[in-house]
Amino acid sequence: QSALTQPRSVSGSPGQSVTISCTGTSSDVGGYKYVSWYQQHPGKAPKFMIYDVSKRPSGVPDRFSGSKSGNTASLTISGLQAEDEADYYCCSYAGSFTWVFGGGTKVTVL
Amino acid sequence: EVQLVESGGGLVQPGRSLRLSCTASGFTFGDYAMAWVRQAPGKGLEWVGFMRSKTYGGTTYYAASVKGRLTISRDESKNIAYLQMSGLKTEDTATYFCARAYVTSWPAFDIWGQGTMVTVSS
Repeated sequence: QSALTQPRSVSGSPGQSVTISCTGTSSDVGGYKYVSWYQQHPGKAPKFMIYDVSKRPSGVPDRFSGSKSGNTASLTISGLQAEDEADYYCCSYAGSFTWVFGGGTKVTVL
Repeated sequence: EVQLVESGGGLVQPGRSLRLSCTASGFTFGDYAMAWVRQAPGKGLEWVGFMRSKTYGGTTYYAASVKGRLTISRDESKNIAYLQMSGLKTEDTATYFCARAYVTSWPAFDIWGQGTMVTVSS
C-alpha cells in the first residue's frame, strides 16, 4: 500500500485560507468515505481534526473543513492563525481493516 | 481525563525483541478498538496495526511491512494494549503511537498517546 500523496508544504498569511490535497486511489480515498485528518505540532502526538471526509469532532474550530472529489481529499484551513502552523496528515481507510497515511504537509503561517 | 500512555521503548539491537505497552485511562478500554501508528525520525505517520475490541473478537490486522514480526494484544483487566516486536530491523526505528478508534466512526482515531521511541541499532 503506497502512501497517499500530499504536498510537502503550503503557506499563507494570517487570515488567509490554505488547502492541502491528499491523493490516493480507488482502493483507498476514492473507495471509502473514511478519510480523516490529523494535526501534529513538533514533538507532539497527532491531534484528530476531521473524520468521514468532512466531519469535525467536538472542539475542532469550524475554520477546518474537509472535502473529497474522486481519489483526492482536501483539508482547508480558513482564517489562518499562527497556532495552525503544524504538520497535517491525511489518512484513508483502505479496506480489510487496513489504513494508509499521507506523507504529511507542513503548513507555514507567514 | 481520557488518556493513553505508551511505554517500553528504548535502544535494541537488530534481530532482538521488544514489547511496547499502551496504558489506557478515563474510558472503558474494552469497548474500543485500538491501533498502533509509527513515525520514523523526520518522516510521516505509518499505520502499523489494528486490534478490534473483544466484542468483535479482538481480531488483529497488520501492515504488510510488519506482518509476521509485530503482534498486537490487549489485557482488558489492566487496560493495556501491547505491541510485541520481534526480529527488529533498523528500519523499525521510530516513535510508536497507540491510538483509540473513534466510537462515532471507527476508521478514525480520536485519542493518541504521546509516543515511545524505539531505536534499532547495533
